[in-house]
Order: sequence, then C-alpha cells, then structure tokens
Amino acid sequence: EAQVTQNPRYLITVTGKKLTVTCSQNMNHEYMSWYRQDPGLGLRQIYYSMNVEVTDKGDVPEGYKVSRKEKRNFPLILESPSPNQTSLYFCASSLFQGGGGYTFGSGTRLTVV
Amino acid sequence: AQSVSQHNHHVILSEAASLELGCNYSYGGTVNLFWYVQYPGQHLQLLLKYFSGDPLVKGIKGFEAEFIKSKFSFNLRKPSVQWSDTAEYFCAVRASGNTPLVFGKGTRLSVIA
Repeated sequence: EAQVTQNPRYLITVTGKKLTVTCSQNMNHEYMSWYRQDPGLGLRQIYYSMNVEVTDKGDVPEGYKVSRKEKRNFPLILESPSPNQTSLYFCASSLFQGGGGYTFGSGTRLTVV
Repeated sequence: AQSVSQHNHHVILSEAASLELGCNYSYGGTVNLFWYVQYPGQHLQLLLKYFSGDPLVKGIKGFEAEFIKSKFSFNLRKPSVQWSDTAEYFCAVRASGNTPLVFGKGTRLSVIA
C-alpha cells in the first residue's frame, strides 16, 4: 500500500532532550516536506526536500533540522526541544514539488514539558 | 509571497443542509488549487484538486469546488452534508514553478443531526 509512515504517533519529552521523528515513503516520491499544525494557525511548513541531499527551509524552520540521505526517508530532528515546539507534526510527500496533491503521514503529536 | 484565506473558522450545519466554504488566495499567476479534509484524529486527505480545464471540479464524497479566476477564489461546496462530513477542511494553493504548497488556516465543520 502506498503510504507515508511516521513514527512515533505520540511522544512526550522533556525540554532539551534531543529527539527524532522519522518519516518514510514507499512511492519513490522526490519531494518530501514537514509541517506543524497548531490550533488557529493551520499547517505551517518547517522544511522541505526536493530530492536526495537537497533540503530547504520552510516558513518556521527555527529549532528543527532535517536530512535527506535516501529518497524514501526524511527525518525531523529537534536538537533541543522547547515547550513551544509542542504541536502536531505531519510529513508529506509528492512525486515532485508540482506533482499533484501531497500524501500525508498519520501525524506525530509531540508534547515538550 | 502567496497566501490563502479561509474566511470561516467554524461552520455548524444541520444534516442535509448545503455547504459552501470560502477560499481566496493572493497570487496573480497560474496556480494549482487543492482542498484537503482532516477527520478527527486523522491525517489530511485530498478531496479534490484543480490544475487546468473545467473550473468546476468534482471530488470524492460528493464535494465539488469552483475556480473563479477573476475572484481569486476556489470555494468548496456540497449540496447536502452528512454527520460524517464533520471535519476540518483546508484549502491549499501552489503557484506555478518551484514553489511549495501553502495552506489556509482551515475551517472546522460541525454537522449536527
């Protein structure tokens, strides 16, 4: 089944403890992206990747890192999480940036205390 | 930079009522337009999309949207809503070329029996 898989689905962590949220797609998509969703603010793009080894900042990149060493994987790294990064995170992919709609992962609800 | 406005934050309708959710965007060039739906606790799913051609687009679950270029609008409609349509709806726009998808802040639809 074609899908975007995110892990974990839920995560509670403490301020400053590094964490990684994984994202993997099995559709051979070139384009991948991370969004955070907050009440009243909709979805805001954190980082995106046009292809392997090509990443770029979205609208809210501060406090996040990404890497794209392989086409299928696009992990989101929080080196030193803070409470304002408590949010619902979605990974998405598409064939290429202009290629139709995005396929979204199931989301990761992160709480930083 | 392009932006997307969804005018209604929360819409409450009775079953069988007709639905129209507004979406306006700010970009003068060629655009691709999308509507996504997010059911409670789930990820975003593509409802419909417009790339070119007939400005009236039909999507899944009886939804349709009309692209009116002169009004920079892409409103979502459904003639008769059901309780199962309770969800959050996001309009998204992508300008032509190498640009990411920009989402509106979403409209929450509550359908009551």
